[in-house]
Amino acid sequence: DTGVSQNPRHKITKRGQNVTFRCDPISEHNRLYWYRQTLGQGPEFLTYFQNEAQLEKSRLLSDRFSAERPKGSFSTLEIQRTEQGDSAMYLCASSFWADNYGYTFGSGTRLTVV
Amino acid sequence: KNEVEQSPQNLTAQEGEFITINCSYSVGISALHWLQQHPGGGIVSLFMLSSGKKKHGRLIATINIQEKHSSLHITASHPRDSAVYICAVKDQGAQKLVFGQGTRLTINP
Repeated sequence: DTGVSQNPRHKITKRGQNVTFRCDPISEHNRLYWYRQTLGQGPEFLTYFQNEAQLEKSRLLSDRFSAERPKGSFSTLEIQRTEQGDSAMYLCASSFWADNYGYTFGSGTRLTVV
Repeated sequence: KNEVEQSPQNLTAQEGEFITINCSYSVGISALHWLQQHPGGGIVSLFMLSSGKKKHGRLIATINIQEKHSSLHITASHPRDSAVYICAVKDQGAQKLVFGQGTRLTINP
């Protein structure tokens, strides 16, 4: 297992287009998190899954954003009708279900909306 | 006011200096994390603390639960320590992490 994998690493898209990012967590981890990080800021929580169930969504996750984890393994984050304000680094992390375990982060997908 | 505040925001030091980065938080937490982020985005977990002190190599992290404060120390700093260091807390009863804005550390040779 090589850790948390995110694809693509970079995405440039025109405003109004849809984009989809993928996260492959560590296989034994049943919790998966999506965060968004804008330049110069710390990451902000978007949503998290336990297995295939999406248990929490931030108010940052507007109706243009949707996340899935259909089989409790990899997850996808889709942004519809992208806006320039969506430009950010999208980070995925995974962890075990128990609270005393740490998190493993992916390298992120950097989205630029032009 | 942010739930997690870090200071300083930027820190430049010479190689070999002792570095301290501070983190204050305002909520009850179950754990505090120190993370390192290099240019390009990848985040590496350094420490997870719920009490006391932890040491790993030249890095030391401490937490004072009563004062809601944590510090990350780097001894004998080296240019390869240059990165953004981020403090993040896990709310009691919640699963998400709440992050500070990060401290950009630059160590000059």
